[in-house]
Amino acid sequence: SQQGEEDPQALSIQEGENATMNCSYKTSINNLQWYRQNSGRGLVHLILIRSNEREKHSGRLRVTLDTSKKSSSLLITASRAADTASYFCATDAGGGADGLTFGKGTHLIIQP
Amino acid sequence: ETGVTQSPTHLIKTRGQQVTLRCSSQSGHNTVSWYQQALGQGPQFIFQYYREEENGRGNFPPRFSGLQFPNYSSELNVNALELDDSALYLCASSDRDRSFYEQYFGPGTRLTVT
Repeated sequence: SQQGEEDPQALSIQEGENATMNCSYKTSINNLQWYRQNSGRGLVHLILIRSNEREKHSGRLRVTLDTSKKSSSLLITASRAADTASYFCATDAGGGADGLTFGKGTHLIIQP
Repeated sequence: ETGVTQSPTHLIKTRGQQVTLRCSSQSGHNTVSWYQQALGQGPQFIFQYYREEENGRGNFPPRFSGLQFPNYSSELNVNALELDDSALYLCASSDRDRSFYEQYFGPGTRLTVT
């Protein structure tokens, strides 16, 4: 079953604008990860945020985590056409034996 | 690009047949996880192998089975294929001995069952 729910399901913006995607989840987590997927191929790991962290940056990416609301957001600043992809949040409950639980993803389109 | 490879890239099988998918993990990783991704959905966890032992399993029937070899590469076997098994199958390698670890995904095998 899908634990995470990304919002919106699809987002179309102009190149140069910022894109924000949200993720909600249901159970306690050890960490939350964001992945990008281009055209139904393999997933690329973007960033991992631990349950005791509130914000993390990596290049043009900023991730926040609010464990009290069981939600996370991914901000991509100064978007580029190459950022067009599907973005998934994935939760890890810890221990690793249950694998990652993914949401259905946000499809992001950057208009040139 | 991760160091994770999968073969084959695409596969077409007939309902009732059996299929084996292969995954080579990234150097230094001891864990392989397999996921099934149906069209328009997020990946669903099938199972995980850690140091050659099945370490966890998602909500998939026993006709989904696997192996992990001493070099930590892995196979996913699916028996008695059904039409709903058509999906992208992804493997991910990681190092479970770390406290927090990312999973590095291969490019996937697209399976079509007709």
